[in-house]
Amino acid sequence: GQQLNQSPQSMFIQEGEDVSMNCTSSSIFNTWLWYKQDPGEGPVLLIALYKAGELTSNGRLTAQFGITRKDSFLNISASIPSDVGIYFCAGHRQGGKLIFGQGTELSVKP
Amino acid sequence: GAVVSQHPSWVICKSGTSVKIECRSLDFQATTMFWYRQFPKQSLMLMATSNEGSKATYEQGVEKDKFLINHASLTLSTLTVTSAHPEDSSFYICSALVGSSYEQYFGPGTRLTVT
Repeated sequence: GQQLNQSPQSMFIQEGEDVSMNCTSSSIFNTWLWYKQDPGEGPVLLIALYKAGELTSNGRLTAQFGITRKDSFLNISASIPSDVGIYFCAGHRQGGKLIFGQGTELSVKP
Repeated sequence: GAVVSQHPSWVICKSGTSVKIECRSLDFQATTMFWYRQFPKQSLMLMATSNEGSKATYEQGVEKDKFLINHASLTLSTLTVTSAHPEDSSFYICSALVGSSYEQYFGPGTRLTVT
């Protein structure tokens, strides 16, 4: 099925560093969502974006809805070990269904 | 708020048997729920959309007679994997839509192993 292009696929960073990941699409989305998934668990919603250009923060996380409505990025500032996991972007077009990116696996070295 | 539970969290069954997985919205009513499967190191693949009181809508390539979905109440959807085979082994995750938003809240997943 259709997927969003999410990059990078994986990141290995030092604790305290900032992280940035993004998703792009050839199609327009009405809503962008960012999720985090820990091993053996279901994804947890981090941030939801509803308007083009919208910039939203949730603690150390900041996400933006691209002005063209075809992309979004997620930044994590001052990473800590518990940030480890797989981060997924998801776009919603209509009908309630989400299209997911391939995921970014984040590893944080203490 | 917006808590979704799944039961069981893991199950091992023999080839040819059927397995039922339950998805419940604990603190809200969910008209629409979704079922996904996820293979190791891969993204979530939507299997079907479950609407309360009506037939589920299956994604292309998903066998509706093999993956039976029932959404009989506003807080419960079930997925039954019929005549399971080893290739059905996967991580199955449900999600639910909250109100009129497009935010999906996910259950913790069910690990199915077919021997």
